[in-house]
Amino acid sequence: KQEVTQIPAALSVPEGENLVLNCSFTDSAIYNLQWFRQDPGKGLTSLLLIQSSQREQTSGRLNASLDKSSGRSTLYIAASQPGDSATYLCALKGQGGSEKLVFGKGTKLTVNP
Amino acid sequence: ETGVTQTPRHLVMGMTNKKSLKCEQHLGHNAMYWYKQSAKKPLELMFVYSLEERVENNSVPSRFSPECPNSSHLFLHLHTLQPEDSALYLCASSRTSPGQGADIQYFGAGTRLSVL
Repeated sequence: KQEVTQIPAALSVPEGENLVLNCSFTDSAIYNLQWFRQDPGKGLTSLLLIQSSQREQTSGRLNASLDKSSGRSTLYIAASQPGDSATYLCALKGQGGSEKLVFGKGTKLTVNP
Repeated sequence: ETGVTQTPRHLVMGMTNKKSLKCEQHLGHNAMYWYKQSAKKPLELMFVYSLEERVENNSVPSRFSPECPNSSHLFLHLHTLQPEDSALYLCASSRTSPGQGADIQYFGAGTRLSVL
């Protein structure tokens, strides 16, 4: 059974700092991995999708990496801004045809002005 | 605005009530999902509909009954719920192709449900 762990559960940084969010998973047989952002009381917004054959994806100040062999993914946020404050969720889709995404509990990020 | 609309945004109901949650998407997607998000627990997939057929049911109690009348609409009918069913219920949609699976899921803002 796939388990997804995100550490730390919460992170507070000053504005302008570069930071890394971590996601680890127990089963390397994944189809893809997604990073989402969730603002309080809101739904999820997909940030980056990495296929199992890829090593990283970039979008603006965000860079996500995937290392299946070690069961890890990281989300790098450059030059953080107060508007980046949100909960960041990692989710995996397994191989085998199921559409099920397995989510971590998320990391709550606060960027202080 | 993601193109996935959920109503109502907030719902308070008693354990004997019957209510329905609605999800609507106009993105041309052909797969729709219901998720439950409880405090301090990971997001849990409840149901998946692909091409209006239910393809996944992740051991959800029968007091939750999904309905997908067409590819743009998804309902979750609620009946005799328990207080522990209080949570944020999220709907998502995606495009899925045979042999390729589903693309990125787009989420609605959710319905915050409180069961008294």
